[in-house]
Amino acid sequence: GENVEQHPSTLSVQEGDSAVIKCTYSDSASNYFPWYKQELGKRPQLIIDIRSNVGEKKDQRIAVTLNKTAKHFSLHITETQPEDSAVYFCAGHMNTGFQKLVFGTGTRLLVSP
Amino acid sequence: NAGVTQTPKFQVLKTGQSMTLQCAQDMNHNSMYWYRQDPGMGLRLIYYSASEGTTDKGEVPNGYNVSRLNKREFSLRLESAAPSQTSVYFCATRLAGEGELFFGEGSRLTVL
Repeated sequence: GENVEQHPSTLSVQEGDSAVIKCTYSDSASNYFPWYKQELGKRPQLIIDIRSNVGEKKDQRIAVTLNKTAKHFSLHITETQPEDSAVYFCAGHMNTGFQKLVFGTGTRLLVSP
Repeated sequence: NAGVTQTPKFQVLKTGQSMTLQCAQDMNHNSMYWYRQDPGMGLRLIYYSASEGTTDKGEVPNGYNVSRLNKREFSLRLESAAPSQTSVYFCATRLAGEGELFFGEGSRLTVL
């Protein structure tokens, strides 16, 4: 089945620095890779996703890169701001007729002013 | 539109008691999910329903049952609660197999 590993578990950066969070997955059939952001006490919300026919996707200060050969994908946040502080989750999705979305264990990002 | 509504938001149970978490969506989505969130363990899938009339086990189904009552509603039942089921439970929905997952606000359950 699908297994998603996420690193690091915590990440502290100074405002203005870049942050990178990495995930690896086990199922080579996976073809959809979303990233969710969860602020303290709130529900997770989608911030960006990528499909397997694309190597990179950008949306303002956030980007996701996908390496299907190595089976890993990464979230990049540039020019970090204090409001970026949250827990970020990657997820992997199997396209075998199942509807299962399996999440990584999360990365707590702290951006210090 | 309310989106995804979960009830109750908070619940305290004693070991062995039963309860049902309710989830309703007005987004006309086909797929519905129940996740639990524990510190350091991310979001783990309990059960999901790809469409009305179907349900399937996720990563951690033991101790839970579900019912997809109709297209709008997907309930999660704990027949005999255990302290290990203390967690925050999230219901989520999406239109179909891929795309954005929309979460409810969560239900915090404590089992004493």
